[in-house]
Amino acid sequence: DTGVSQNPRHKITKRGQNVTFRCDPISEHNRLYWYRQTLGQGPEFLTYFQNEAQLEKSRLLSDRFSAERPKGSFSTLEIQRTEQGDSAMYLCASSVRTGLEQYFGPGTRLTVT
Amino acid sequence: AQTVTQSQPEMSVQEAETVTLSCTYDTSESDYYLFWYKQPPSRQMILVIRQEAYKQQNATENRFSVNFQKAAKSFSLKISDSQLGDAAMYFCAYRSKYSGGGADGLTFGKGTHLIIQP
Repeated sequence: DTGVSQNPRHKITKRGQNVTFRCDPISEHNRLYWYRQTLGQGPEFLTYFQNEAQLEKSRLLSDRFSAERPKGSFSTLEIQRTEQGDSAMYLCASSVRTGLEQYFGPGTRLTVT
Repeated sequence: AQTVTQSQPEMSVQEAETVTLSCTYDTSESDYYLFWYKQPPSRQMILVIRQEAYKQQNATENRFSVNFQKAAKSFSLKISDSQLGDAAMYFCAYRSKYSGGGADGLTFGKGTHLIIQP
């Protein structure tokens, strides 16, 4: 069990550029969650997958955000036309089907300049 | 929508002493789950303890215990015999028992920064 991994760990981009993050969950976990954490705040739920199906999307997930989990394994989160307000830590978590215990990855810190 | 409030932005405790972190929440649901997560500096978040709302008995994990007051919608975390490694941000979180409408995600408070004085 290598835990949840996320890449890259840090990303600096210019406003208007597109960025993509990757999350690799714990191998036997079929649920995968994305959260966003801004400075001084707790994480906020964005979306989650059960296997390859995206079952829930928060209203925080604007049209510029898209997430995929094509084969029910790793997931990607893409942000198009980044804005300074997108600067945050993006956290991924995974769990077994019940979802009671979510295991978090180290996060990807995005800075939009 | 559910909300979670942590009213203590920062707490400080002497090593080996006991500290209690406060959390209140608001929900119209009768069955749900509550969690305390720990986020050490520059490290990933880990689950400290979980409480199921239908269980009256307070959860305990080694030096960590909770005081769950369902009627008051209060869920505090007590850390006994504080250690230097306990220094971290602590987040209280809520999860609905039911699916849909974002209920499967966790709703977090803003966190409490715990400082351990040697």
